[in-house]
Amino acid sequence: KAGVTQTPRYLIKTRGQQVTLSCSPISGHRSVSWYQQTPGQGLQFLFEYFSETQRNKGNFPGRFSGRQFSNSRSEMNVSTLELGDSALYLCASSYLTGDTDTQYFGPGTRLTVL
Amino acid sequence: AQKVTQAQTEISVVEKEDVTLDCVYETRDTTYYLFWYKQPPSGELVFLIRRNSFDEQNEISGRYSWNFQKSTSSFNFTITASQVVDSAVYFCALSATFSGGYNKLIFGAGTRLAVHP
Repeated sequence: KAGVTQTPRYLIKTRGQQVTLSCSPISGHRSVSWYQQTPGQGLQFLFEYFSETQRNKGNFPGRFSGRQFSNSRSEMNVSTLELGDSALYLCASSYLTGDTDTQYFGPGTRLTVL
Repeated sequence: AQKVTQAQTEISVVEKEDVTLDCVYETRDTTYYLFWYKQPPSGELVFLIRRNSFDEQNEISGRYSWNFQKSTSSFNFTITASQVVDSAVYFCALSATFSGGYNKLIFGAGTRLAVHP
């Protein structure tokens, strides 16, 4: 089975721009979560989607948003980019048989904001 | 509040040494899950193990073993006879549905393990 895929792998943007990152979960997985990893804050939960609905959200400003499509693929969007948004963005998918399931991560998208 | 503490920021060992990575967690939930992930330089988080709060049995998988002790809120990870390929950052994570919500992993800061030949 193919793993979680994320595109693009690397991205360079300038302040004020917006960006969209894409995540394709493992086939059959219905839940997709997003995490931000920075040297200062570590790994932080952004949000989780299940059946096209956001079920949980972390403590991030409204500039961070996401969505999930009927095929479980997910996108996250960051508007009005700030320098502090430079990070590795990781997507994870799980089958979700119950309330907590094992999450399998993709290789991440490294975003650099200049 | 939920919290995961990995007090060891960096560990350096020589090949074939045994090494233990510490993880201490805090949660008020009675049902929770603990995880270990490995992050090699490529960046992808690789799942190693998952444990629920009702299963305190220790687990061994090859050179890897995990010791879960609810009495001390710890979930430690030991690598026996370490190898250079074990060099990576290791993360301990907690998921507690009631207070954290579905599939929300709370990660520790990570422990960077360097295994030298």
